[in-house]
Amino acid sequence: DAKTTQPTSMDCAEGRAANLPCNHSTISGNEYVYWYRQIHSQGPQYIIHGLKNNETNEMASLIITEDRKSSTLILPHATLRDTAVYYCIVRVSNSGYALNFGKGTSLLVTP
Amino acid sequence: DARVTQTPRHKVTEMGQEVTMRCQPILGHNTVFWYRQTMMQGLELLAYFRNRAPLDDSGMPKDRFSAEMPDATLATLKIQPSEPRDSAVYFCASGPMIGETQYFGPGTRLLVL
Repeated sequence: DAKTTQPTSMDCAEGRAANLPCNHSTISGNEYVYWYRQIHSQGPQYIIHGLKNNETNEMASLIITEDRKSSTLILPHATLRDTAVYYCIVRVSNSGYALNFGKGTSLLVTP
Repeated sequence: DARVTQTPRHKVTEMGQEVTMRCQPILGHNTVFWYRQTMMQGLELLAYFRNRAPLDDSGMPKDRFSAEMPDATLATLKIQPSEPRDSAVYFCASGPMIGETQYFGPGTRLLVL
């Protein structure tokens, strides 16, 4: 799996968009970008994933650069409940293998 | 709303005692994973199963840890004997054979004194 780099921590005001970056410059053509988050004292939760096109679901949007070397997870209207550690993971899809969690980004949403 | 369940949610035990953690994966999921989370190491994979067969347990200390799936509805992680360094949160996750979302349970918080 390709290595990812994320900022250690970020702040965001409630109601504003939270933009979480992830660098994955060594990503291979068949590797997807996945995002999970972990709210304090809970298990990780899947958010979204994509290959090269931008993706959107009810939780977030994923923007992947054209060269696929970086991506941004966007929470359009952050709430206090979005305070969590966000993990960017790059891996081959449909592999059924374990997730390789790094350190992630600790997002703090403030009132 | 299907969920992965884990028992017990909390466990305090003394060094040397046996600890058994249980996980009920989501019905129909073919892959089951055990992860351990500590402040120092973060989330790390211990073992995982596909169709109840162990595929990778290289993350587990072999001399004291064992993982099994007696049937499709139960996965177990056993530590014998337990040591203080085993104190951590142990997560079970399950996923469909084809598909990428892994669903995590609430975890078992283990403290070995």
